[in-house]
Amino acid sequence: EAEVAQSPRYKITEKSQAVAFWCDPISGHATLYWYRQILGQGPELLVQFQDESVVDDSQLPKDRFSAERLKGVDSTLKIQPAELGDSAMYLCASSISFSSGEQYFGPGTRLTVT
Amino acid sequence: AQRVTQPEKLLSVFKGAPVELKCNYSYSGSPELFWYVQYSRQRLQLLLRHISRESIKGFTADLNKGETSFHLKKPFAQEEDSAMYYCALSQGAQKLVFGQGTRLTINP
Repeated sequence: EAEVAQSPRYKITEKSQAVAFWCDPISGHATLYWYRQILGQGPELLVQFQDESVVDDSQLPKDRFSAERLKGVDSTLKIQPAELGDSAMYLCASSISFSSGEQYFGPGTRLTVT
Repeated sequence: AQRVTQPEKLLSVFKGAPVELKCNYSYSGSPELFWYVQYSRQRLQLLLRHISRESIKGFTADLNKGETSFHLKKPFAQEEDSAMYYCALSQGAQKLVFGQGTRLTINP
């Protein structure tokens, strides 16, 4: 069964360093999402792609976060520089279309900023 | 602003007892509501959505627009139901807004 892949699974970095996360959605899924989940809270959408285009990045802290999906397949989320408050789980999800409603989640990347 | 509230962070019931996980929402349009579940060491996954009106693993949820609620119910809890449950609201273009989650523990 096809799954969303993410790497790394765990990342420890010092504040002010750069960090990057990678996501490979289920093949054929046009819509890709990046969420941040702080401990004890639900996931919060950071950015949504439709193919290679950004549909919604209203909650993305653009001074330090960037996301790309250059060929409309896999995606990278970057933080530069990392801050202590960025410690969280970063989840990637994909859906077959813009309006499918069901999202398939990856295992997440646990980021710890020291 | 769109918001999803799950008033219980923790819920513990005995095996065989009924379960109800509460979810309230605020949304100005026509909402689409979902329940997602995360079992231990597994990914977040869709459990059910209100438009399908189906029962999954014995769980049902009814959208009550008057009370702006979408509570998840199961008449007889099983130990394998222990998990983290998230209620989610879909805004336009399927952007999901999640509640903070309820950790359900089924005691033997």
